[in-house]
Amino acid sequence: EPEVTQTPSHQVTQMGQEVILRCVPISNHLYFYWYRQILGQKVEFLVSFYNNEISEKSEIFDDQFSVERPDGSNFTLKIRSTKLEDSAMYFCASRPLRNQVYGYTFGSGTRLTVV
Amino acid sequence: QQQVKQSPQSLIVQKGGISIINCAYENTAFDYFPWYQQFPGKGPALLIAIRPDVSEKKEGRFTISFNKSAKQFSLHIMDSQPGDSATYFCAARDPGSGIQGAQKLVFGQGTRLTINP
Repeated sequence: EPEVTQTPSHQVTQMGQEVILRCVPISNHLYFYWYRQILGQKVEFLVSFYNNEISEKSEIFDDQFSVERPDGSNFTLKIRSTKLEDSAMYFCASRPLRNQVYGYTFGSGTRLTVV
Repeated sequence: QQQVKQSPQSLIVQKGGISIINCAYENTAFDYFPWYQQFPGKGPALLIAIRPDVSEKKEGRFTISFNKSAKQFSLHIMDSQPGDSATYFCAARDPGSGIQGAQKLVFGQGTRLTINP
């Protein structure tokens, strides 16, 4: 079964450093997302991406965050200057068509720890 | 208005029993209501989903009951098994605007379900 692949699985970084989280969505999917989950809390929407541009972003997704699809297969989330409160699980998700909720697939996540 | 409220926060059920998790929402623009199962260290995995024009959907031991007028929906797990022990999230899909609507998911707080053998 096709999977959304995320790397690394765990990243530890110093406060103020830049991090890039990487995702390989399912190959025929057209819509891409980043969500985050602070430990023990709910999963929260960060950003959606379609046709090489952001289609929607949440209040959490401020100027420190950016997304990119650099080569047609990878989808990245960059945090420019990490803060302690950025520590969370970050999930990439993708889906194929407009009305298919069953195609909405999440990766296993990257655990980001900011120290 | 974007919130989805989920209860209980944690639930312990004996093997073979029925697990019931409840959710409520406010935004009538939500157009799909999925339930996700999450095991430790893994991403959410879709379990079952329902449209708001349907009152019940059953897949195996999992049933969603949907009350549109009350803006509530619930997940019932029949004959609960130890392998069902996981965190369960209800969610609601916000279709967004325009032909390229984002269709983001709004998640509930999660329920940690433990099935005792």
